[in-house]
Amino acid sequence: DTGVSQNPRHKITKRGQNVTFRCDPISEHNRLYWYRQTLGQGPEFLTYFQNEAQLEKSRLLSDRFSAERPKGSFSTLEIQRTEQGDSAMYLCASSSWTGGSKNIQYFGAGTRLSVL
Amino acid sequence: DAKTTQPTSMDCAEGRAANLPCNHSTISGNEYVYWYRQIHSQGPQYIIHGLKNNETNEMASLIITEDRKSSTLILPHATLRDTAVYYCIVCPPDNYGQNFVFGPGTRLSVLP
Repeated sequence: DTGVSQNPRHKITKRGQNVTFRCDPISEHNRLYWYRQTLGQGPEFLTYFQNEAQLEKSRLLSDRFSAERPKGSFSTLEIQRTEQGDSAMYLCASSSWTGGSKNIQYFGAGTRLSVL
Repeated sequence: DAKTTQPTSMDCAEGRAANLPCNHSTISGNEYVYWYRQIHSQGPQYIIHGLKNNETNEMASLIITEDRKSSTLILPHATLRDTAVYYCIVCPPDNYGQNFVFGPGTRLSVLP
C-alpha cells in the first residue's frame, strides 16, 4: 500500500494555459474523489468516480474543468484556460466502497496550482 | 454548506488530553460523524467515525451525545505532531461527494 499519489506536487502556469494533474489511487480502490482547497478553508468537493464512471460533479466544476478515469485506475483533472481564481491546492482521495457504513477516504498530498 | 460548527482554534499542552468539540444539531438519523485532520502541507487524514455509540481506536476516542446533536474528539495524550486542523463532518453511510462537506475546522496547537 503506497498511498494515494499525485503529480506534479507543484504547478505554476500563466493565465490562459491548460494544465493537467494526475492521481494514482490506492490499488483496488474503486472510488476516486477530487477536491479543491484554498488557503484557510477546508477541502471542497469537485467530483468523484466509481470505477470509470463519473457519478457526481459539484457546481464548482465549471465547463473549463474535466476529469477522467478511463480504466478505473488513475485519474486526470484538466483545467482549460486557467484563471487566477483557479489557484488552489487540488486534492485527490480514494476509497474502497463495498457497502455498509465504512467508506474511509485516503487523501494524497495534493497538487498546488499557481496561476500567474 | 457544512452541517457542523467547530471552534476556530484551540491550544493544548503537550501530554494532556485534547478535547475538540463539534456541534451538529441538524444531524439526521442515518448520518455518521466523521473526524479528519490535516497537518500542514499534507492531505486530510482519517481519524475516526461513529453513529451513536462512543468509539475508540489507536488514534482517538469519539464521544457522541445521546441526542446526537454534538460530539467530542479526544486525543488522550497530545503530542506536538498532533498540531493540525481538525475537521468534523456529518454524512450519510455512503458518503457521496457533495454530502461530505469540510467546514473550516478547528486549528489545534499543541504547546510544549
